[in-house]
Amino acid sequence: DTEVTQTPKHLVMGMTNKKSLKCEQHMGHRAMYWYKQKAKKPPELMFVYSYEKLSINESVPSRFSPECPNSSLLNLHLHALQPEDSALYLCASSQSIGQPQHFGDGTRLSIL
Amino acid sequence: TQLLEQSPQFLSIQEGENLTVYCNSSSVFSSLQWYRQEPGEGPVLLVTVVTGGEVKKLKRLTFQFGDARKDSSLHITAAQPGDTGLYLCAGAREETSGSRLTFGEGTQLTVNP
Repeated sequence: DTEVTQTPKHLVMGMTNKKSLKCEQHMGHRAMYWYKQKAKKPPELMFVYSYEKLSINESVPSRFSPECPNSSLLNLHLHALQPEDSALYLCASSQSIGQPQHFGDGTRLSIL
Repeated sequence: TQLLEQSPQFLSIQEGENLTVYCNSSSVFSSLQWYRQEPGEGPVLLVTVVTGGEVKKLKRLTFQFGDARKDSSLHITAAQPGDTGLYLCAGAREETSGSRLTFGEGTQLTVNP
C-alpha cells in the first residue's frame, strides 16, 4: 500500500467542468509534487511545493491550478481542460526537495 | 535532447534469464534513483545511489552508480514473472530553480513464464 493517497482514482470530465484532484501524505514530508504521465512514458514534472510554497512551475497551462492548504495536502484544480490533458496524474512527496520521492497510485483523468 | 538515456526501451525474456538495464547521461547527478511501475499504480522506489562507484543489492537486483555519477545500471538475476513492469531511472540535479528529478524514458520489461 502506498503512503501517498490520491483521490479520486478515476475521473471523467467534460471540457467545461471544474474538478479537483487531491493528494494526502502523513509521512511528515515537506516537499510535494504533481506529475503528468502519458501511457508508456515517464512522469513529467508539473509543480513542486516546498514547505507549502510553490517552488517550481514547469510552464504548466493556467487551466491547471495547484494548491497546498497544509503540509499534508496537495490539490490540483482543473478547469476547461482539453482532450490532450487526458493522462495519469501522479502526486509524490519527499522529506525535502532533492530527496527520494514516494508516489501515489495516481488519478486516471479522461477528458471528453 | 533526452537528459537521461535509458536502454533498452523494451525487453521480453523468459523466466530464469538475466538482464541489465542501462541509464546514461552526459550530466552529473547528485543521486540517482530506480523505480518500478506496474499498470494502474504509481512508481515505487527501489533504490537510491549517491556515491560514485556505489553498488547496492536488493535480493536478485543489483544497482550500480558510475564512478563519475553520470550513469547507472540495474542487473536482474534469474528474472521472474513478478519482475514485469516499467523500470525508470531518475537523476537528481541542483538547478537555479531548485533540485529536480529527471526521468529516463523507461524500460518495459516482460518476463514470460
